[in-house]
Amino acid sequence: EPEVTQTPSHQVTQMGQEVILRCVPISNHLYFYWYRQILGQKVEFLVSFYNNEISEKSEIFDDQFSVERPDGSNFTLKIRSTKLEDSAMYFCASSQPGQGLSDEQFFGPGTRLTVL
Amino acid sequence: AQSVTQLGSHVSVSEGALVLLRCNYSSSVPPYLFWYVQYPNQGLQLLLKYTTGATLVKGINGFEAEFKKSETSFHLTKPSAHMSDAAEYFCAVSKWSNTGKLIFGQGTTLQVKP
Repeated sequence: EPEVTQTPSHQVTQMGQEVILRCVPISNHLYFYWYRQILGQKVEFLVSFYNNEISEKSEIFDDQFSVERPDGSNFTLKIRSTKLEDSAMYFCASSQPGQGLSDEQFFGPGTRLTVL
Repeated sequence: AQSVTQLGSHVSVSEGALVLLRCNYSSSVPPYLFWYVQYPNQGLQLLLKYTTGATLVKGINGFEAEFKKSETSFHLTKPSAHMSDAAEYFCAVSKWSNTGKLIFGQGTTLQVKP
């Protein structure tokens, strides 16, 4: 069964460093998403991406964040200068077009980012 | 704006007992509602979803949920809990848009006691 994969599973970085979180969405999906979950808090929407551009982003997704689909398979989230409060589990998701928002979003297992 | 409230961050039931996980939503437009489950060290997996039509929705693993517009609720139930149901459960809402972003509740951890 096709699945969304994410690497690495755990990333530890120093405050101020850049990190890139990688996702491989399901191959025929065209919508891509990043969510994050700070320990003990809700899963929060960060950004959605379609047709090589951002469709929507939340207030959390400021200039420190960027997303990219560098090739036909990867979808990345970059944090330019990490802060302590960026420590969270980051989930990638993908979905198929066609029926709009009722399409199921398939989630990856997440990358746990720890900023020291 | 849309929001979701899950009542009870932890629910404990005995094996074989009824599972009831509560979810209330707020939405200014007809909502699309989802329940996701997360097992340890895994991603979120869709249990069931309500889009339109029948308000009682059946999902995987014997779970079902009923959309009650008058109560703005979408509670998740399972008649008989199994040990393998122990996980974290998330209710989510989305509105008609071309992005389909999900707005999640806080999550409910289900513990199943033998």
